[in-house]
Amino acid sequence: RKEVEQDPGPFNVPEGATVAFNCTYSNSASQSFFWYRQDCRKEPKLLMSVYSSGNEDGRFTAQLNRASQYISLLIRDSKLSDSATYLCVVNKNSNSGYALNFGKGTSLLVTP
Amino acid sequence: DAGITQSPRHKVTETGTPVTLRCHQTENHRYMYWYRQDPGHGLRLIHYSYGVKDTDKGEVSDGYSVSRSKTEDFLLTLESATSSQTSVYFCAISLEGPYSRANVLTFGAGSRLTVL
Repeated sequence: RKEVEQDPGPFNVPEGATVAFNCTYSNSASQSFFWYRQDCRKEPKLLMSVYSSGNEDGRFTAQLNRASQYISLLIRDSKLSDSATYLCVVNKNSNSGYALNFGKGTSLLVTP
Repeated sequence: DAGITQSPRHKVTETGTPVTLRCHQTENHRYMYWYRQDPGHGLRLIHYSYGVKDTDKGEVSDGYSVSRSKTEDFLLTLESATSSQTSVYFCAISLEGPYSRANVLTFGAGSRLTVL
């Protein structure tokens, strides 16, 4: 099992739709979870951290399921400007080496 | 936006030539990182730094070296570039360290390197 797996998409949705992405991770000891957003040919930017109890930021909701080892991102009322690639990031919680694993990203295209 | 500047933003070079990419930050963050991003791969860590003159290897460090002589500057050097090093390179900074649960990265705009 890859350390962080995401459906690459693309997800094509109309404006106003609700869309959800899942991300699975392999290290059960992971403690930190994030969603980053990356626009085409731009740098990744933090969208939101994911907390154990789930958290919401406007139209975006993130959930963590430790038992099944996945995190999700829900986008409500999609806007054209939400079109981007969404990167799932999970830490390794390791005592050696580097600590963050990036998924390959899920591509979202919101159409008029 | 955080003050992170990468240079050059674009570079085309030939196999076997040395290349240095520079990352400059004005945020006084302790931790700095170099990642590469390639199609079909997630971002992969090359090297990181946890202070002046303190660096460590990431998962894809072969063929790369780094230096950090000042808090604000982190240099990535390809001693002898190869075509497999054609990639987009991102510098990142963070306040917290790599083992912190609150380790949030802020990225530079990227440097696109083509090795012919």
